[in-house]
Amino acid sequence: NAGVTQTPKFRILKIGQSMTLQCTQDMNHNYMYWYRQDPGMGLKLIYYSVGAGITDKGEVPNGYNVSRSTTEDFPLRLELAAPSQTSVYFCASSPIVAQPQHFGDGTRLSIL
Amino acid sequence: DQQVKQNSPSLSVQEGRISILNCDYTNSMFDYFLWYKKYPAEGPTFLISISSIKDKNEDGRFTVFLNKSAKHLSLLIVRYQPGDSAVYFCAASGSGGSNYKLTFGKGTLLTVNP
Repeated sequence: NAGVTQTPKFRILKIGQSMTLQCTQDMNHNYMYWYRQDPGMGLKLIYYSVGAGITDKGEVPNGYNVSRSTTEDFPLRLELAAPSQTSVYFCASSPIVAQPQHFGDGTRLSIL
Repeated sequence: DQQVKQNSPSLSVQEGRISILNCDYTNSMFDYFLWYKKYPAEGPTFLISISSIKDKNEDGRFTVFLNKSAKHLSLLIVRYQPGDSAVYFCAASGSGGSNYKLTFGKGTLLTVNP
């Protein structure tokens, strides 16, 4: 019963490098989300998707891109890593609106 | 512009006692509220929720209260156990349209002392 799986768990990037954070869920949820959590702060929504092929910006989308080609997968892409993107990234999914979101265990990303 | 506020960054409670975690919100469009619990190096885990048509929801040792007029949410935990030590996040969303995104507070670190 995997739920929401995120890879990698940890990563160190150099400024200007790019990478993709992977997220997959096996619950057949339509809605998927990406959040970032900075130290001492709550989670902030980066992007979300209401189904395959449909994505939209959240509160803090600058510097990120997403795609949703399947129901299961929702990767987050950083094109030109900046120190301000050092954070813990969480992926989540939910079956419908107004239902609790299920979270992965996060990816801790440091950009030096 | 913090729409969901948890004004207590930390709280300490004795094992077996009760305590209340508080949360205030400013957006009158919010009508669905949740509490999440988070351990270090893990993702948030859903604890309990309440919709705006109710003022109380209970699930085992956890009860959530909603005061819509005061825009205030609280979480009552009874019979604290050591495993309750975690960061507790309050979150809110609207329903319908595009208002199903969760807005989180900054969290309250709860420490349970033996």
